[in-house]
Amino acid sequence: ELKVEQNPLFLSMQEGKNYTIYCNYSTTSDRLYWYRQDPGKSLESLFVLLSNGAVKQEGRLMASLDTKARLSTLHITAAVHDLSATYFCAVVRTAGKSTFGDGTTLTVKP
Amino acid sequence: DTAVSQTPKYLVTQMGNDKSIKCEQNLGHDTMYWYKQDSKKFLKIMFSYNNKELIINETVPNRFSPKSPDKAHLNLHINSLELGDSAVYFCASSQELRGFGELFFGEGSRLTVL
Repeated sequence: ELKVEQNPLFLSMQEGKNYTIYCNYSTTSDRLYWYRQDPGKSLESLFVLLSNGAVKQEGRLMASLDTKARLSTLHITAAVHDLSATYFCAVVRTAGKSTFGDGTTLTVKP
Repeated sequence: DTAVSQTPKYLVTQMGNDKSIKCEQNLGHDTMYWYKQDSKKFLKIMFSYNNKELIINETVPNRFSPKSPDKAHLNLHINSLELGDSAVYFCASSQELRGFGELFFGEGSRLTVL
């Protein structure tokens, strides 16, 4: 059974600081996604990572994938308050079935 | 135009009642899903349909019955509601064939069972 573990589960950081969220998964997979969820809202897709060594960047967020280590990272550069949200990684092993990590709730304080 | 829309957004009901949630997507995607998010924000897949065919049916009680009349619609009917069914239910769609398979979520339906 595919297991997806994220850490940390809660992250409180100051504006302007850098930090990394980690996503480990237990078995070989096709694809990995990162999603963002604002409080009380839906989830939206941030990144799709398809192959070993893939790196995607959007603004202050950068995601990478190491399929050999079964690890993805979401790096936050110079955090701002608007980045406060819950971030989920999701791994696809069987087409049509995304297994989600438990989410990392990020709070960025001034 | 909302890409994935669910109704209703809120349901408050008594234990033992039956309720339904409807979902429609206008993205032309081939696969639709129901996910359950509990109070700790854990997300778990319940069902997945590809072109009206059930392809994933996780260990969900029989009281939950999905129905897909066509590939743009996926409904969820819940019988004999229990306290533990209280959660946010998200509908989602994706394009699996010739797509990246990322999920597009509806706004969620918050179910409260009293």
